[in-house]
Amino acid sequence: AQSVTQLGSHVSVSEGALVLLRCNYSSSVPPYLFWYVQYPNQGLQLLLKYTSAATLVKGINGFEAEFKKSETSFHLTKPSAHMSDAAEYFCAVKETSYDKVIFGPGTSLSVIP
Amino acid sequence: DSGVTQTPKHLITATGQRVTLRCSPRSGDLSVYWYQQSLDQGLQFLIQYYNGEERAKGNILERFSAQQFPDLHSELNLSSLELGDSALYFCASSVGGGVITGELFFGEGSRLTVL
Repeated sequence: AQSVTQLGSHVSVSEGALVLLRCNYSSSVPPYLFWYVQYPNQGLQLLLKYTSAATLVKGINGFEAEFKKSETSFHLTKPSAHMSDAAEYFCAVKETSYDKVIFGPGTSLSVIP
Repeated sequence: DSGVTQTPKHLITATGQRVTLRCSPRSGDLSVYWYQQSLDQGLQFLIQYYNGEERAKGNILERFSAQQFPDLHSELNLSSLELGDSALYFCASSVGGGVITGELFFGEGSRLTVL
């Protein structure tokens, strides 16, 4: 069965500092992985997705994530945090085209001026 | 704008009542997903439909039901409402079918408050 864990329900970084949000998954088959962002009072929107074409995936707003099969991880990074990055971030996993998409518990990112 | 439309945006009702949440997916998307988001439970998958048929079921209570109509819009029915049902309910759509990597596009949600 699929599951997703995100280490740290809340992460605070200084503006300009590295952002690292952790995601680990459990899947019986090679999964498809996603990172979504949710701004206050909005729905979720896709940041990036891993589709097995490349292990390092670049997304919008300067974010990227690296798929590491040996570690069953898909951590999200951004070299330099911006105030506008403050939001809730969700990692998600899907196994096949018809499977449900399972989301992790989310990590709230705060950016300190 | 994701292209997914949810109505109503806000809903306040009393315990024991029944409500219907509506979702219109993005043009061309055949799959519809329903999620419940609450502070203590996070984002919980409820149910998924593909082209009118139920595809996957998650933590959906028996008091809840859903369907996807021939025009592909979907409705989530919540009955015998309890205080704990207060949450944000999201609908999402995706291309579905053989597009295994299709991402979800989310609506802005329907905020349900049960008093």
